[in-house]
Amino acid sequence: DVKVTQSSRYLVKRTGEKVFLECVQDMDHENMFWYRQDPGLGLRLIYFSYDVKMKEKGDIPEGYSVSREKKERFSLILESASTNQTSMYLCASSLWGENYGYTFGSGTRLTVV
Amino acid sequence: AQSVTQLDSQVPVFEEAPVELRCNYSSSVSVYLFWYVQYPNQGLQLLLKYLSGSTLVESINGFEAEFNKSQTSFHLRKPSVHISDTAEYFCAVSLGAQTGANNLFFGTGTRLTVIP
Repeated sequence: DVKVTQSSRYLVKRTGEKVFLECVQDMDHENMFWYRQDPGLGLRLIYFSYDVKMKEKGDIPEGYSVSREKKERFSLILESASTNQTSMYLCASSLWGENYGYTFGSGTRLTVV
Repeated sequence: AQSVTQLDSQVPVFEEAPVELRCNYSSSVSVYLFWYVQYPNQGLQLLLKYLSGSTLVESINGFEAEFNKSQTSFHLRKPSVHISDTAEYFCAVSLGAQTGANNLFFGTGTRLTVIP
């Protein structure tokens, strides 16, 4: 079965900490995505990647960076966590050139205190 | 530019009653259409999709959606809801003929609450 795995379901971090959110997919997908989800705002794209070492900014990249050293792994980095980054973070992946939808992970609920 | 509109942010409905969750899109090219469901504290799961062929598509748990090209709509319906259908539902559109990485556009979601 196709799988996207996010390393943590719940995470609590302090303001100013560097935070890593990890996402791994086992489907050999080229494309990977990071979204954040907030009540009333739906899904907002932070960054995406279409190949190893390639990254593109989404709609709200400020305060975030990403890393894709291997095809199966896409990391989201909060360089200095702030309380306004408290949110649900969702990773997804898809095949290049296919418009058949994305496969999502279970999400990481991050709380910054 | 393409956009997806889910007009209702919240829909409360009594158990065993019918429900319709509305989705409209704007696009000048042909599209593929999707409904995703998100249960509490989980990620999004694909519920059903329209790629081509019959405009009426069904899911395994009784939901159906109809692609209406003239109305640019893809409304989700279920004739009789269960408590377990309580979730958030997202409509999404991709540009059928376009390749590339970032090709799926989401609505803002509709929270369906089924009342016992």
